[in-house]
Amino acid sequence: DAKTTQPPSMDCAEGRAANLPCNHSTISGNEYVYWYRQIHSQGPQYIIHGLKNNETNEMASLIITEDRKSSTLILPHATLRDTAVYYCIVVSGTYKYIFGTGTRLKVLA
Amino acid sequence: DAGVIQSPRHEVTEMGQEVTLRCKPISGHNSLFWYRQTMMRGLELLIYFNNNVPIDDSGMPEDRFSAKMPNASFSTLKIQPSEPRDSAVYFCASRTSSPGQGRYTGELFFGEGSRLTVL
Repeated sequence: DAKTTQPPSMDCAEGRAANLPCNHSTISGNEYVYWYRQIHSQGPQYIIHGLKNNETNEMASLIITEDRKSSTLILPHATLRDTAVYYCIVVSGTYKYIFGTGTRLKVLA
Repeated sequence: DAGVIQSPRHEVTEMGQEVTLRCKPISGHNSLFWYRQTMMRGLELLIYFNNNVPIDDSGMPEDRFSAKMPNASFSTLKIQPSEPRDSAVYFCASRTSSPGQGRYTGELFFGEGSRLTVL
């Protein structure tokens, strides 16, 4: 079973920041948090990952709380092409990437 | 660079027929994953290979499902006999276990999927 909880859907205005929350209260000390997204019916695409420090790359920022029980993915300037299902994953061991139900983000013009 | 290549992209078959889905991982990747996606169950991990060896097949739903990886550049997922409830999109993903240059991400690279419809 997935070890994360996400809201089923969110809307965001184009050009605004999209903040997608994720709860992972049972995360273990050595488990990473990964974010993927799936646009329409394409294969999921990696966005970012982290252990305990905040992370930023060209796509997004990841904020992990100090107790590591939750995190937030931030898309700083959402565009219509960011409309997708976003998955927050806690990776157990070296290969258990267990996807939950994700958050369906709709970016509105 | 070529990504993960899956074939066929679409397959329509009748109940009882054998179905074989194929996957070519990214060259140099030594880990391969098969996932199944349905509306009801979302993305499910079926099986994981490392260095061509099946490590965890606990997600394979029934004995009707089998997967092989005869070499580092090819894997198959076979369903025999197929049933209507097997209708789904099947994704293959690959990953390197080596840090290489820069920060290791552990990123899974997914193919475009094979959409299977069993009538």
